Amino acid sequence: GAVVSQHPSWVICKSGTSVKIECRSLDFQATTMFWYRQFPKQSLMLMATSNEGSKATYEQGVEKDKFLINHASLTLSTLTVTSAHPEDSSFYICSADGTSGQETQYFGPGTRLLVL
Amino acid sequence: GENVEQHPSTLSVQEGDSAVIKCTYSDSASNYFPWYKQELGKRPQLIIDIRSNVGEKKDQRIAVTLNKTAKHFSLHITETQPEDSAVYFCAASWVGDDKIIFGKGTRLHILP
Repeated sequence: GAVVSQHPSWVICKSGTSVKIECRSLDFQATTMFWYRQFPKQSLMLMATSNEGSKATYEQGVEKDKFLINHASLTLSTLTVTSAHPEDSSFYICSADGTSGQETQYFGPGTRLLVL
Repeated sequence: GENVEQHPSTLSVQEGDSAVIKCTYSDSASNYFPWYKQELGKRPQLIIDIRSNVGEKKDQRIAVTLNKTAKHFSLHITETQPEDSAVYFCAASWVGDDKIIFGKGTRLHILP
């Protein structure tokens, strides 16, 4: 149980285009999902917390107009990188929280984004 | 906010020896401490976790200890094997917030 999928697994795009990444909880409902960014040889940095049916909460320094998050259902959250630039190239990982309270987060397999 | 420090950043141990990774946290309200193992290019995998009402937890070759007074917790891997080579992240979470804050990671090399 507690499987989280992400799509696509990797994407290459031109500078200035937008990229959408999907995060799905396959066998459970996730009231909360999290989006992380990980640069090579660095830790996971939380970008935003996504709650179903409400606006995402962004961490300090993360541009909400650039990284659009939509959590439209209890099993799907999307991250759209708008007007992507080479510095946005990174490994993006989502995770899902099964229930409220102190629960383990289950991670998706990640999406590697390369902006040319 | 919470801050998690992790040491060392790189650790090399001989196969069969033990490895210890240490973390400290700043927020005394934190009460959940998971450890993740991440292989290159893959998702973090939870390997063990501990809650603040417990001082130690063990699962086969892996153990975690927690000292709430000192606000530090450690991961112990005994009888290390080549497949233990990976990056390990400690993390902390606290009451009233689902966020998990990660340490910077420890790259563990198991030497043959």
